[in-house]
Amino acid sequence: GQQVMQIPQYQHVQEGEDFTTYCNSSTTLSNIQWYKQRPGGHPVFLIQLVKSGEVKKQKRLTFQFGEAKKNSSLHITATQTTDVGTYFCAGPFSEYGNKLVFGAGTILRVKS
Amino acid sequence: NADVMQNPRHLVRRRGQEARLRCSPMKGHSHVYWYRQLPEEGLKFMVYLQKENIIDESGMPKERFSAEFPKEGPSILRIQQVVRGDSAAYFCASSPLAGSPYEQYFGPGTRLTVT
Repeated sequence: GQQVMQIPQYQHVQEGEDFTTYCNSSTTLSNIQWYKQRPGGHPVFLIQLVKSGEVKKQKRLTFQFGEAKKNSSLHITATQTTDVGTYFCAGPFSEYGNKLVFGAGTILRVKS
Repeated sequence: NADVMQNPRHLVRRRGQEARLRCSPMKGHSHVYWYRQLPEEGLKFMVYLQKENIIDESGMPKERFSAEFPKEGPSILRIQQVVRGDSAAYFCASSPLAGSPYEQYFGPGTRLTVT
């Protein structure tokens, strides 16, 4: 079936340390999206990657899409307490790309 | 309000009762998606609707669950004869156009608790 696997499940870091979460799809994706969900909140769209090998940056966040368009990563440099939350990757798995299949997410906790 | 609206934000139902969850998409969006999230888990796709049409309901349980998006008014996710296993957060999302690469905008969710 359609699967998006994400690791690690949890990550506790000291404030200022870096953080990376990895996402792997069972099939080639037309694009991959990343969302952040704060505790008790709702998913908020961060970014979408479309091209093979694409790298995008948002301040301290760096997103990569693999050459084969089956894997992706999110790297946060020098984490801050505001980075706390769950980071999800999601890929479209339908003819029209509307059915997003989400990874299980990586829960990030930052100790100050 | 330009955001995706969901109500109620919290809903408590006894086993066997019905739950009705409402979602008003972002202004200008005509595509609505429903997802379910169990504690400490990711979001599971349930159904994708356009006005008056169900486009993809591959994630919907076959029994007790139904969804609609009428010509006028919000989208409704209806759960009949709720059971404890239905306790979860239900999120709806909307997008302006179908297909990749359009991102989805999520509402605040409805937290359903079945007692």
